[in-house]
Amino acid sequence: AQKITQTQPGMFVQEKEAVTLDCTYDTSDPSYGLFWYKQPSSGEMIFLIYQGSYDQQNATEGRYSLNFQKARKSANLVISASQLGDSAMYFCAMREGPGNQFYFGTGTSLTVIP
Amino acid sequence: SAVISQKPSRDICQRGTSLTIQCQVDSQVTMMFWYRQQPGQSLTLIATANQGSEATYESGFVIDKFPISRPNLTFSTLTVSNMSPEDSSIYLCSVASAGEGGEQFFGPGTRLTVL
Repeated sequence: AQKITQTQPGMFVQEKEAVTLDCTYDTSDPSYGLFWYKQPSSGEMIFLIYQGSYDQQNATEGRYSLNFQKARKSANLVISASQLGDSAMYFCAMREGPGNQFYFGTGTSLTVIP
Repeated sequence: SAVISQKPSRDICQRGTSLTIQCQVDSQVTMMFWYRQQPGQSLTLIATANQGSEATYESGFVIDKFPISRPNLTFSTLTVSNMSPEDSSIYLCSVASAGEGGEQFFGPGTRLTVL
């Protein structure tokens, strides 16, 4: 089974609108971390936001927020007030296990339309 | 946070040759990872390279094809051996602190094209 599932290969959003990128995960480990990364066309991986499995509050970082629904095992990324520079690939990742290995989803390509 | 540099940033190589990619970190880290990202795909973990022990390879990756060195806590190399066009990818090194909450920092990547 896939550890991380991103079901939206491509998304479009109007500039200044909000967009939600979906991510579901699969683990039996009670302790894990969830991450979102942005990869622009230049190729670098940019850390956006982190949510710990024991965190009670949803994580927020500026225009990014993580909608963490533990019972549903979902960790959706919400980008508010989209900007043209937000156009990129977005990867959801989970870290778990004794080796603290990272598992990445297949990514969602976001295009912001002017 | 950690600042990671990789050399070379890109290369074009001939089939059958080998390329060694260097990864330098500006601080001492225990856990270092090497990933491959084929065009249009997600990241695939090649191996985990912890200082003082042999690298641990993921299924589908073998030491003969991707030998890794980790001589100290700030440096690692990945060699792509006997290359074929299927090895054309971005290769990324990353570091992370221990624990499930430790953020992973990535290098800028090495874009490899094999002709």
